[in-house]
Amino acid sequence: GIQVEQSPPDLILQEGANSTLRCNFSDSVNNLQWFHQNPWGQLINLFYIPSGTKQNGRLSATTVATERYSLLYISSSQTTDSGVYFCAVGGWETSGSRLTFGEGTQLTVNP
Amino acid sequence: KAGVTQTPRYLIKTRGQQVTLSCSPISGHRSVSWYQQTPGQGLQFLFEYFSETQRNKGNFPGRFSGRQFSNSRSEMNVSTLELGDSALYLCASSFTGTSFPGELFFGEGSRLTVL
Repeated sequence: GIQVEQSPPDLILQEGANSTLRCNFSDSVNNLQWFHQNPWGQLINLFYIPSGTKQNGRLSATTVATERYSLLYISSSQTTDSGVYFCAVGGWETSGSRLTFGEGTQLTVNP
Repeated sequence: KAGVTQTPRYLIKTRGQQVTLSCSPISGHRSVSWYQQTPGQGLQFLFEYFSETQRNKGNFPGRFSGRQFSNSRSEMNVSTLELGDSALYLCASSFTGTSFPGELFFGEGSRLTVL
């Protein structure tokens, strides 16, 4: 099955700094989503981005499907951005909505 | 629009018991999928249901089963619980067609502890 690698595994920032999280995947995808997991465990949708570029406030994401990677940019980070960020992909080998998750990036933003 | 609703949120069981978790998808969504999250294995896909039929299945033993009702609500059942089944179980729904994937939206999860 498809493999997903996220980097870095851990990231510590000072408030106000910018960061880039990376997601590499091993095969072509028909679905790619970025999530932020809140302290209670819920996965919050950030982007649905199987290709192209999107922006939402201080966050933006780019997926280069032909090169099999996606990037999540966080600008002017805030303490509330802390948590785990997951990249998840769906491959063409299965129909329907099945996501394979990376191991996540643990982001800590210090005041 | 209401989000994905999972019940119960927390539960404690003992080894050998069985448990049933419930998931109500976003209105209009026909696909419901289930994931297990543990510290050691991360987030793993259990199964997906679409129009009351299991469409995809992950690599979990037969003790893990599910079903979907005509109103798209889904339940998953774990029988003969083991300590390793302690996990956060997440349900997701999507507005998907017969083959194309859609954006998945997750519920708050059911946190199961097996003693």
